[in-house]
Amino acid sequence: AQRVTQPEKLLSVFKGAPVELKCNYSYSGSPELFWYVQYSRQRLQLLLRHISRESIKGFTADLNKGETSFHLKKPFAQEEDSAMYYCAFRLTTDSWGKLQFGAGTQVVVTP
Amino acid sequence: DAGVTQSPTHLIKTRGQQVTLRCSPKSGHDTVSWYQQALGQGPQFIFQYYEEEERQRGNFPDRFSGHQFPNYSSELNVNALLLGDSALYLCASSLFNDGVSDTQYFGPGTRLTVL
Repeated sequence: AQRVTQPEKLLSVFKGAPVELKCNYSYSGSPELFWYVQYSRQRLQLLLRHISRESIKGFTADLNKGETSFHLKKPFAQEEDSAMYYCAFRLTTDSWGKLQFGAGTQVVVTP
Repeated sequence: DAGVTQSPTHLIKTRGQQVTLRCSPKSGHDTVSWYQQALGQGPQFIFQYYEEEERQRGNFPDRFSGHQFPNYSSELNVNALLLGDSALYLCASSLFNDGVSDTQYFGPGTRLTVL
C-alpha cells in the first residue's frame, strides 16, 4: 500500500540555520508530491508541489525517485517558519486526487 | 473570496448521537473532499464528491456518509458516534478540469468532540 513517512515529529532549529524536513514515500509508480503547512491558528495551506518546481518562502523540495524521498529544505530558517508541515502524496493515475498525508513535523525556530 | 468555509467551528456530542458538518467550497470549485484529522496525526481521506455523487472513498465505515448539493456545497454525516470519532474534520475543495482534480484548498475545519 502507498504510504508517506515523516520520521521527525519535532524539529527545533535556530534562526538563520538550515532546516530540512524529511519525507519518504512508498509507491512503485510516479507519484505527485506536495508539502502543506499549517501556521498557528490557520488553515492547512499548500506550500509547494513537486511538479511546479518553484521555491516558496525560500523553501525547495526535490523529488528523488531513487530514494523515494521529497525532503523540504530552507537554507536560513526564520521565526515565521515555525509551523506544522505535512508531506502529502497522490497517485498520478488517480484523477480524483485523493491525498495521503504523513503524520507531520512540527518545526520550531528559536531566535 | 472567503475560500473554503466550514460550519460549525466546534461541536460537542455524546456517544450514539448523529452529527452533520457543512462545507462551502472556494468560488469556482466543483469538487469537495472530506478528511479526518485525529490529534497528532495527518489528515485521513474520508470521501470525495463531484456532480453530487461520491466518487472515491477512504477506509471509513458506512456510519460516515455525505452529500453534495447543486451549488457544490457539501455535508458530512456521522451516525452512531463513537469516542474515536473525536477529531478535526477538514473539507477541501478543488476544480475538476480536463479529467483531473486540481490542487485542493482546505477549510479551517470543524472540531468534533464526542463524550
